[in-house]
Amino acid sequence: KAGVTQTPRYLIKTRGQQVTLSCSPISGHRSVSWYQQTPGQGLQFLFEYFSETQRNKGNFPGRFSGRQFSNSRSEMNVSTLELGDSALYLCASSRGLRTGTNYGYTFGSGTRLTVV
Amino acid sequence: AQTVTQSQPEMSVQEAETVTLSCTYDTSESDYYLFWYKQPPSRQMILVIRQEAYKQQNATENRFSVNFQKAAKSFSLKISDSQLGDAAMYFCAYGEDTGNQFYFGTGTSLTVIP
Repeated sequence: KAGVTQTPRYLIKTRGQQVTLSCSPISGHRSVSWYQQTPGQGLQFLFEYFSETQRNKGNFPGRFSGRQFSNSRSEMNVSTLELGDSALYLCASSRGLRTGTNYGYTFGSGTRLTVV
Repeated sequence: AQTVTQSQPEMSVQEAETVTLSCTYDTSESDYYLFWYKQPPSRQMILVIRQEAYKQQNATENRFSVNFQKAAKSFSLKISDSQLGDAAMYFCAYGEDTGNQFYFGTGTSLTVIP
């Protein structure tokens, strides 16, 4: 069974540019969540998508946005990049159902974004 | 909102010894799930162990076991017979019974000394 696939693995962008990251969840998982990981702030929740709808949102500015497609693949976009956006961006998928057992997340390997 | 606290930013253990990583959480819910994730230098987060709050029996996965104290809201991870490959960042996480919200601690960096 294929895992969670994130592309690209590494990305270098210039301040002011925009970037799009992609995540393909495990087959059958309908929920995709995005996290920003930095040494100083740890794991910070960006947003979660379930069946093409944003279901939960963290405390990030509007420059951070996402979407989910009908096949559950998700993209995350950051516009007008700032130096502070340099981080590891992790995608995590789960069944996302509101009933039943919570088996936790399956994470992708992340995209390392460097803003220069 | 639920909070998860890992009070040990760094821990070290001798190879083949046992180490315990601490985690406490705060919630008013009675049904929930708790997880320990491992993030090695390769950076992929891997699920180590999972505990259902309504089960009193502590979860065990090979050399990994937990000490779940629901009343104290404590969820520690014990790693027995530590191996070099156990060196990683370990995150404690709380998951809601309904919905899909997860809350993570700040992590504990574990070093295994040969």
